[in-house]
Order: sequence, then structure tokens, then C-alpha cells
Amino acid sequence: DIVMTQSPDSLAVSLGERATINCKSSQSVLYRSNNKNYLAWYRQKPGQPPKLLIYWASTRESGVPDRFSGSGSGTDFTLTVSSLQAEDEAVYYCQQYYNAPWTFGQGTKVEAK
Amino acid sequence: QVQLQQWGAGLLKPSETLSLTCAFYSGSFSGDYWSWIRQPPGKGPEWIGEISHIGITNYNPSLKSRITISLDTSKNQLSLKLTSVTAADTAMYYCATRLPWFDSWGQGTLVTVSS
Repeated sequence: DIVMTQSPDSLAVSLGERATINCKSSQSVLYRSNNKNYLAWYRQKPGQPPKLLIYWASTRESGVPDRFSGSGSGTDFTLTVSSLQAEDEAVYYCQQYYNAPWTFGQGTKVEAK
Repeated sequence: QVQLQQWGAGLLKPSETLSLTCAFYSGSFSGDYWSWIRQPPGKGPEWIGEISHIGITNYNPSLKSRITISLDTSKNQLSLKLTSVTAADTAMYYCATRLPWFDSWGQGTLVTVSS
């Protein structure tokens, strides 16, 4: 199984400031034949299912604000929230879809301070 | 996106069988797989397994011996059965579509296993 490890486990960011979440996979999720990274990011608010934010490591889902961006390749990835809003307080997960079983990170809790 | 609504028993005793159903409505689904995912309290999601629109199943090896996922296309319903449950199976269970990322999700069903 591909193990996804996120860091930090939690962080507190002032409203309007940048939040950065890291995700590391135990093996590369870059498929060289199409040069795509098989990596997605989700946001989960309390009492709700996860919501897709980004796929192919850097493509925003339709309707997702442009303050969310994804970067990275191979085994190291980053989700950045450029200007944290109150509604961004949530737990964020990365997930690989390179090899089954599809696996998620343990989550990063983002709080506003 | 597809609308998903799920239901099933929320409280089970050890050794019983978990049974959940997910109905899908409206929207368009261009992907191939219907999935079940669970999330223990305070932990990250865990993929359970999936079924394609033509009935091909893929299961997480960690659960494979206890899982059955089926699809009734005439009723637009997806089902999950997990046998011999223990306290470790206590979790929120979700159905979801896989594009290959998880696109649409059901609202979740909390399943608690307790004697």
C-alpha cells in the first residue's frame, strides 16, 4: 500500500494569512507515460463528508476558490491556502489514486487564530 | 455531480453483519466506479472497495474476506455488506463516486459496534 503522510498534524493561522500543508507519499505517484501526479486534496468540515478541492495535484475542482492551490510532484506535495478565510477552518486530506488500495493521509487540522 | 443518499443500521453487536445501501440520483456520472469509504472517529478516511457499472469489484485487501459490494442498476442502488463486525469497524461510512478521485459523496452513516 502507498502510505500518505501529512505534516503538520495541525496548524493555527491568522485570518488572511497563508496556510501550507505538506503531503508525502511512500512511493512516487507520478505516472510517467502521461506526466500526471495521481494526487487529490480534500477539505472536511465537521459533520460533513470530505469535499474535493484539487486533483492531478494542481487542478482546482470547479467552483473551488483560487486561494486554494496545489503543487509538487513525485512523492512531495503541498496544498496552499493563500489567504485563510473563516470557512476554511477544517481538516484537510491528501489522497493517492495511483495504485489500489486508494489511500488517504491522516489529515491536517487548520484553525484560525 | 451525482446526488447520493445512503441508509442502513447504525448500531450493531459484535459478529453481526453491517448492511448499507446508497441510492444515486440526478446529475451525470462520467466515471466508472462506485465506492465505499469509512472514517473512524478522529482518523483519516479508509477506502473499503468499489464496483464498476459493469459489476467489476475491487476490494481493500485488509477487508476483502469480509466485504461484498453490489450494484443494482435497475434501482440505481449500491450496497455494502461487511460480515463479522467488531468494535474496530465503528466508523462513519460513506458511498462515493470515483473519477479516479472521489467526486461526489453521500451524507454518511455512523455505524457503531457495541455489545
